[in-house]
Amino acid sequence: GAGVSQSPSNKVTEKGKDVELRCDPISGHTALYWYRQRLGQGLEFLIYFQGNSAPDKSGLPSDRFSAERTGESVSTLTIQRTQQEDSAVYLCASSTKKPKSPRYQETQYFGPGTRLLVL
Amino acid sequence: AQSVTQPDIHITVSEGASLELRCNYSYGATPYLFWYVQSPGQGLQLLLKYFSGDTLVQGIKGFEAEFKRSQSSFNLRKPSVHWSDAAEYFCAVAPSFFGNEKLTFGTGTRLTIIP
Repeated sequence: GAGVSQSPSNKVTEKGKDVELRCDPISGHTALYWYRQRLGQGLEFLIYFQGNSAPDKSGLPSDRFSAERTGESVSTLTIQRTQQEDSAVYLCASSTKKPKSPRYQETQYFGPGTRLLVL
Repeated sequence: AQSVTQPDIHITVSEGASLELRCNYSYGATPYLFWYVQSPGQGLQLLLKYFSGDTLVQGIKGFEAEFKRSQSSFNLRKPSVHWSDAAEYFCAVAPSFFGNEKLTFGTGTRLTIIP
């Protein structure tokens, strides 16, 4: 497809279980971002990938959260020992941004998100 | 650190009426500014962005936004709204220097259109 895709679209899990969320960026996009959107709130930045390295992990809320990316392709966000406060929509975005390129050259394209509910 | 405030949580407008959504930012220099729209069940779509130059920016779907440095604002406007404009609108800011890639988003404004 032409856009960013994410799977699953919905995930319900029990507190304490691990979950994996997947993001397939637009082909050729070097940059990939994860955001979290809690109910009634704006998006929170989690992590940024340039290729398969993560120059900025500053938004990850705790060591239960981790992410990896294979080359300039798919990324997975893993949440270990999920808590109820992890319930949110997790959004992925990709762009053609390259290191040290001006921001005005970039537009981030967002996927539809994964809605996570931790019971 | 940069921050964004969208003071209106929910706005209701009649179809055909004009619209203005407010956005105020806090940043030490001139930031890069964005407006995104999120329709139900869909991902975020970029409406427009401001980097430099002309302070009045035209976007898609008939939207425009004006950057006012003196007021630290980047308000979104549309002269005549359509029922299909009902959605959640997010203002976002990014630093204007290399090495910091975060988009910081406001909490959003939900727009309802009445006939």
